[in-house]
Amino acid sequence: GDSVTQMEGPVTLSEEAFLTINCTYTATGYPSLFWYVQYPGEGLQLLLKATKADDKGSNKGFEATYRKETTSFHLEKGSVQVSDSAVYFCALTHSGTYKYIFGTGTRLKVLA
Amino acid sequence: EPEVTQTPSHQVTQMGQEVILRCVPISNHLYFYWYRQILGQKVEFLVSFYNNEISEKSEIFDDQFSVERPDGSNFTLKIRSTKLEDSAMYFCASSRGAGGNQPQHFGDGTRLSIL
Repeated sequence: GDSVTQMEGPVTLSEEAFLTINCTYTATGYPSLFWYVQYPGEGLQLLLKATKADDKGSNKGFEATYRKETTSFHLEKGSVQVSDSAVYFCALTHSGTYKYIFGTGTRLKVLA
Repeated sequence: EPEVTQTPSHQVTQMGQEVILRCVPISNHLYFYWYRQILGQKVEFLVSFYNNEISEKSEIFDDQFSVERPDGSNFTLKIRSTKLEDSAMYFCASSRGAGGNQPQHFGDGTRLSIL
């Protein structure tokens, strides 16, 4: 069945460092891909999405490119801030289903 | 920005008791969902609901679970006879449509603790 694999956390970075959180997926066809972020004590917030191969989703300085050839959707940010400390979830869905399939989440901690 | 609201934020219940988790989806959304996250594990899909009926459910969503939209604004998840393994964070979500171009919007969750 479909699945999403994320890199293990926690990831600890200094402020202004470059961030990469890896996400790979297994799915039939062409799923839509998402990154959600969960700040402490809050729910899941959509960060960005991509619905077809080679699409780049971007929001708040974060980017991810839908790579069909490597079945990946890695999250990147050029310069992280302390306020980016949160748990980041990669997820997929595709036509014919209503459900989202999530990865395990990656905790990011940014130090001042 | 409109948001999905869930109540209560934390529910503590004795094993074997019934529990109802409540959600108010975003007002112009038509699709509603419940997910759960057992501590330290993945967020898992439970059920989707559209046009007053279940459109999809997972293997987790057995006869102990039910969903209802009792009025025009609330969406509830009922667990009939709770078990210890039902302890988890339960997330409600809603979307305007189905598919990747209509992302699901999530509430802050209800933490359910079964004693």
